[in-house]
Amino acid sequence: EVQLVESGGGLVKPGGSLRLSCAASGFTLSSYTINWVRQAPGKGLEWVSSMRVRSGDGDYADSVKGRFTISRDNAKNSLYLQMDSLRAEDTAVYYCAREGVYFYINCAGGVCYGLDSWGPGTLVTVSS
Amino acid sequence: EIVLTQSPGTLSLSPGERATLSCTASQSVLTSHLAWYQQKPGQAPRLLIFGTSYRAPGISDRFSGSGSGTDFTLTISRLEPEDFAFYYCQQYDNSYTFGQGTKLEIK
Repeated sequence: EVQLVESGGGLVKPGGSLRLSCAASGFTLSSYTINWVRQAPGKGLEWVSSMRVRSGDGDYADSVKGRFTISRDNAKNSLYLQMDSLRAEDTAVYYCAREGVYFYINCAGGVCYGLDSWGPGTLVTVSS
Repeated sequence: EIVLTQSPGTLSLSPGERATLSCTASQSVLTSHLAWYQQKPGQAPRLLIFGTSYRAPGISDRFSGSGSGTDFTLTISRLEPEDFAFYYCQQYDNSYTFGQGTKLEIK
């Protein structure tokens, strides 16, 4: 069974740091693009960062660029999000989500995408 | 960055009715890169539709998606009590963006 579980959330002061973990089971994490998506209390979903499967490079939303760093440990089948210089507006539930790849002839290049597996999320609260 | 605008913000319907949710993009989106998610309070989102019109595994055939270019629609026929939730559209260009969501509530 495919499963993602986040951990590492908690209460941190503005300017502080936190490291989130996403442990994968039931599949090889390095074979998929994995994303961090967050949801502020009572708000919608916001994409934060991706670890691309091919390049292993990280992509970031403008709101976190230069402050957050995504990384991966293949031996532990885990993904991480190092969050520095945290701000009150970073307060949210953070989800890791796997990008599923679907091969259908009517998809562009024969491939469609969707975030097909999500963890339960971990709450990050930035407050003094 | 492509902005997705969902309408209506809240949709009030009764079980058994048909729901039509809209998602409008600020510029053209590849149909392959448009998805819909359902989220219930306290839960993670769940993929419903990918590639504009393909149902994800295990999703009821009461859910269907359509559209192209900048206008996309999620239709739920014959609403069941468990369908009342938040719904988000999402696109992938160089990054992901989500619509602000539609709350489907019981009338």
